[in-house]
This record gives sequence, structure tokens and C-alpha cells, in this order.
Amino acid sequence: AQSVTQLGSHVSVSEGALVLLRCNYSSSVPPYLFWYVQYPNQGLQLLLKYTSAATLVKGINGFEAEFKKSETSFHLTKPSAHMSDAAEYFCAVSGMFSGGYNKLIFGAGTRLAVHP
Amino acid sequence: EAQVTQNPRYLITVTGKKLTVTCSQNMNHEYMSWYRQDPGLGLRQIYYSMNVEVTDKGDVPEGYKVSRKEKRNFPLILESPSPNQTSLYFCASSLSSRNAYEQYFGPGTRLTVT
Repeated sequence: AQSVTQLGSHVSVSEGALVLLRCNYSSSVPPYLFWYVQYPNQGLQLLLKYTSAATLVKGINGFEAEFKKSETSFHLTKPSAHMSDAAEYFCAVSGMFSGGYNKLIFGAGTRLAVHP
Repeated sequence: EAQVTQNPRYLITVTGKKLTVTCSQNMNHEYMSWYRQDPGLGLRQIYYSMNVEVTDKGDVPEGYKVSRKEKRNFPLILESPSPNQTSLYFCASSLSSRNAYEQYFGPGTRLTVT
């Protein structure tokens, strides 16, 4: 079975501060891991993905995440927050099943607020 | 422009009145899926389709139906909506089931059942 836990349903940072959104996963197969972002009144947009290549993954808008197998973590970071980063962020895990079906399991989400 | 469209975007209805939420993609994707998003629960898969005429249940299929008669369309049907189906619904698509993780999402449909 696979699952995702996002620590902190709400995170608030000042503009220019470090953004750190935490994600821990559980997977019985080598995982693929993803971060999606949801801006207000919009659908989800893929920020970045880990698919067993480099453990440090860079995404759009200056975000990056590091896959740490020993810690079963895939935390999302950005060195300097911008007001436009305010959104909800979802971590997701996927794995190949025997039938070749690749399913996404989402975490509960973390709402990021950025204040001046 | 490559996109997934959903209609309607907002819907208020009453218990028991059948409704359909349409989903269409213009990317010739094989795989399509419906999710519902509820506070504190993230997104949960309702149904998915690996290709035309091939559909299967996700994690929360009770009270929903789907069909996939054409590759581009994947409507979600609520035969007898109930208040616990009040939620934000997303349709998503990807090139194939092997790339199901690279999913493109529609803008969402906010459904309220009174």
C-alpha cells in the first residue's frame, strides 16, 4: 500500500523567506513522487516530479525537492518566497502495479500563505 | 491550446436530481480520471478509464457512474445526488496508463447538493 503524509495543513511565511513544505511517503514499491500546486479557483498544475533519476529535482517557479529514501521524505523548498506562491500544494506518490497501471495517491495538502 | 475542460464550473442542485458533469480533453490522451477534493482529505480518485469503453472504480466510487464512449470525453454521472457528494470535482487526463502520473487537470466543478 502507498500513502502520503503532508506535515502542516497551513504554512505561513514572509515574502523573501525560505519556503519548506514537508512530505513523507510510504510505498511498497520504488516510488515516483510529485508536487502539484493549486492556485485559487484553478486546477492542479505539476510543479516537479521524481522518477528515480537525480534525487534533487528542480521544478517550475524556483521550487525544488529532494528525494531522501532513508527518511522516506520528499520535502518541497524555495529559497525566497514570493507573494504569487500563495496556493495549496499537494504531494503525491505513484507506483507501477503489476498491471502497468500507474495511480496517483495524494496527500491532504498544505496551504501556503505569504505575507509582506 | 492543450487543455482539459469541465462543465459546469459551479452547480447547485437538490437531493435526488440526476446530474452529469462533462469532461473533455483535446490531447488525444488514453487515460482519464475523476477525483473529488474535500478539505483535509486531498484528492481521492472516483473512477478512471484506461481507454475507450474501459473504465474501473477508484477509491470512492459509490454514488457515481462514468462512461467512455469517445476518447476525448469522460462524463461523471450522479444518478441520485446526496448532500455528502457536495465537493470539488476534478477531471484529469494523461497520455497513457503508463504515464498516469503526468496528469493534466481540468479547472474543477464545485457541486453543492442541498
